[in-house]
Amino acid sequence: EVQLLESGGGLVQPGGSLSLSCAASGFSFSTSAMTWVRQTPGKGLECVSLIYESGGKTYYIDSVKGRFTISRDNSKNTLYLEMNSLRAEDTAIYYCVTGWQSSIWGQGTMVIVSS
Amino acid sequence: DVVMTQSPLSLPVTLGQPASISCRSSQSLVHSDGNTYLSWFQQRPGQSPRRLIYKVSNRDSGVPDRFSGSGSGTDFTLKISRVEAEDVGVYYCMQGTHWPRAFGQGTKVEIK
Repeated sequence: EVQLLESGGGLVQPGGSLSLSCAASGFSFSTSAMTWVRQTPGKGLECVSLIYESGGKTYYIDSVKGRFTISRDNSKNTLYLEMNSLRAEDTAIYYCVTGWQSSIWGQGTMVIVSS
Repeated sequence: DVVMTQSPLSLPVTLGQPASISCRSSQSLVHSDGNTYLSWFQQRPGQSPRRLIYKVSNRDSGVPDRFSGSGSGTDFTLKISRVEAEDVGVYYCMQGTHWPRAFGQGTKVEIK
């Protein structure tokens, strides 16, 4: 059974940092592209970042470029999202999602940016 | 960036009756590899999204055959042949051809 377990969410002040992790199991992690998708009541679903299978190429949406870094450790079957200079508008549920076409979703981790 | 527009945004349906959701993209979703990467997702209350359909019309494993997807280019449709109580939730389309990926605003399906 495919499992994606996100962790690391929480409350952080504007300008602060947070690191998210996603532990994957039940599928070939090293041969799967991975994405982070966030969900807010206001903006809906937004695919924030994508990383190739090898980790050699990454994509970001404009609003997080230079602030967020996606990475992976294929030896640990783990996906990461390092978030710096956080803003109120980054408040969302962050989902770890498999594949180029978002096939399997984790349960999500809540990030709240507020003073 | 590609914009995905769904309609309607709210869809009250009688149990056992059909339902249809439209999704339009601002650009063609035909990829250079010849595939059209349009997916449909269901999000039940309190749950994560679940993919139902990929590449326009392919059902994911375990998805009931009352769900079907169709369309081409920029116009796509998700149909539920006979709505059941477990189908209540929000449905999203997503284009996976271009970066950034883009989701529709969501269509809330509820029982009348």
